[in-house]
Amino acid sequence: AQTVTQSQPEMSVQEAETVTLSCTYDTSENNYYLFWYKQPPSRQMILVIRQEAYKQQNATENRFSVNFQKAAKSFSLKISDSQLGDTAMYFCALNTGGFKTIFGAGTRLFVKA
Amino acid sequence: NAGVTQTPKFRILKIGQSMTLQCTQDMNHNYMYWYRQDPGMGLKLIYYSVGAGITDKGEVPNGYNVSRSTTEDFPLRLELAAPSQTSVYFCASTPGTGETQYFGPGTRLLVL
Repeated sequence: AQTVTQSQPEMSVQEAETVTLSCTYDTSENNYYLFWYKQPPSRQMILVIRQEAYKQQNATENRFSVNFQKAAKSFSLKISDSQLGDTAMYFCALNTGGFKTIFGAGTRLFVKA
Repeated sequence: NAGVTQTPKFRILKIGQSMTLQCTQDMNHNYMYWYRQDPGMGLKLIYYSVGAGITDKGEVPNGYNVSRSTTEDFPLRLELAAPSQTSVYFCASTPGTGETQYFGPGTRLLVL
């Protein structure tokens, strides 16, 4: 069975600082896709970053980057220069190429001024 | 592009009532999904569709029904609403497996 675990229910960070959100997953597939989605207080979920497992290089998107450790089945999200608008729920998700995507329980991030 | 739209935004239902949550996407995506999100929790898959006329159950399908007569529309039907169906419902679509999912703004449903 595939699982996604986010062990930090809640985190906070000071504005302009860096924060890392953890995610571990389990799958027996060799090829798969990992995602971080952001859900701000407005509720609509949007993609932050996507990683293809067969790519060695860690994905980056402006201030957001991931540390993808395939052997350890770890996929953490680093947010640099945190901004107040980064306050949101962040979900890690796994898709093994089928129709279904498995979501973690989420980490609520507060960015403090 | 409007992306994925959902109506209504909020609804209060009495126990035993029925309703349909509407979902429309204008991106010509084949795959569409319905999720529910309970307070402080992640997403649970209710139903999904891989194309017009093709639907299948997710993790928590009981008490719900879907249909997909067109590529654009994927309505979710609640029959005999129960308090356990109080939740926020999200519709999503994606162009293919392993691709990014695009979410609607959600429908908050309260069953009293």
